[in-house]
Amino acid sequence: EVQLVQSGTEVKQPGESLKISCQGSGDSFIAHWVGWVRQKPGRGLEWMGIIYPGDSETRYGPSFEGQVTISADKSGSTTYLQWSSLKASDTAIYYCARLVSFTWGYYFDYWGRGTLVTVSS
Amino acid sequence: QSALTQPASVSGSPGQSITISCTGTTSDIGSYNLVSWYQHHPGKAPQLIIHEDSERPSGVSNRFSGSKSANTSSLTISGLQAEDEAVYFCCSYSGGYTWVFGGGTKLTVL
Repeated sequence: EVQLVQSGTEVKQPGESLKISCQGSGDSFIAHWVGWVRQKPGRGLEWMGIIYPGDSETRYGPSFEGQVTISADKSGSTTYLQWSSLKASDTAIYYCARLVSFTWGYYFDYWGRGTLVTVSS
Repeated sequence: QSALTQPASVSGSPGQSITISCTGTTSDIGSYNLVSWYQHHPGKAPQLIIHEDSERPSGVSNRFSGSKSANTSSLTISGLQAEDEAVYFCCSYSGGYTWVFGGGTKLTVL
């Protein structure tokens, strides 16, 4: 069974750095892209970016380029979302989701439960 | 404001049918047959219930169905059950390795 296990709740102060993770069960990330999605309090979901864990090729959404870093470990089983200097506006739930790719398109099939990040002084 | 527009809430009684709309533009829903729908119970992982506008993954009840017309996709749930109470959100590919999402619709089973 495919499972995406995300790291736990984080409470940080503005200016601090943070790295959250998303681990795929078994070989569930093999030959798949993995995306990160943000949900601010009371708001809808926003696509942040995707990574191919096999070679760490990464694409970012225009609102997130330069604001976060998406990476993967060498085994390709864990992806990360990282901030160098958090802002209060980064307070949100962050989801990872596996992308199914085929000839004519894509869709996200499995999701993690989300990581709540609270940034407050 | 989300890129795709969904009603904030819908409700129905057990056994009834409800439809949730998801409206986008010619750049996303209108250009691709790649709308997916998800059921999300708070605190749990969102679950895929429809992909490619109207395809149902294995194991998903046939009470869930999807359709599309122009820039609007719709999710219909027939024979409402108490366990269907959840948030439902849509997602569409919008080209160039980008995706857009709806704001989510809270379904209440009365």
